[in-house]
Amino acid sequence: QKEVEQDPGPLSVPEGAIVSLNCTYSNSAFQYFMWYRQYSRKGPELLMYTYSSGNKEDGRFTAQVDKSSKYISLFIRDSQPSDSATYLCAMSDTGANNLFFGTGTRLTVIP
Amino acid sequence: GAGVSQSPRYKVAKRGQDVALRCDPISGHVSLFWYQQALGQGPEFLTYFQNEAQLDKSGLPSDRFFAERPEGSVSTLKIQRTQQEDSAVYLCASSQALGGAGEKLFFGSGTQLSVL
Repeated sequence: QKEVEQDPGPLSVPEGAIVSLNCTYSNSAFQYFMWYRQYSRKGPELLMYTYSSGNKEDGRFTAQVDKSSKYISLFIRDSQPSDSATYLCAMSDTGANNLFFGTGTRLTVIP
Repeated sequence: GAGVSQSPRYKVAKRGQDVALRCDPISGHVSLFWYQQALGQGPEFLTYFQNEAQLDKSGLPSDRFFAERPEGSVSTLKIQRTQQEDSAVYLCASSQALGGAGEKLFFGSGTQLSVL
């Protein structure tokens, strides 16, 4: 079993839709939770960063962490064609040198 | 520089050939990471440098993989006697913080390696 599980999709939604992306994980020591966006032939770009449990909102994006369920989510409101990309969840524990990534979910927002 | 720069962008190697991949991190960034991203997968950790010291190489898949950062800035990932399973995108990331936990990483666009 992988440390981080993420539905690879692909996911297609119409412009303006609310998008929900999710990851589950097995390591209860994970404390840092991130969402990266990766456009085709580009490196991942940090989108959201959360420490421990709770919600964080940034514009159209909301990240949620439920440590009791080992489940994290990213919500995108009023989705735009420019949001079309692969979304990777990533996480790490205190003292670790590396991030553990999900496989990524490929999202297409149709105009 | 403005961002993490990697070269070459694409590399085609014949099986058994040695390759060297270069990473120029953001100026002043202390921490440097190498990740390997296979097609349709998320990045997987290879190794971590703090300045010139390689503090973690637990992710290197075999002794054919070697990384260095001799002056604490530019880093090179070398793969000897390449195999087809080495085909992947190799991503470099840097961070201004010390340590790895919870760091906000800035990634380059990667080097796509194809081994024929």
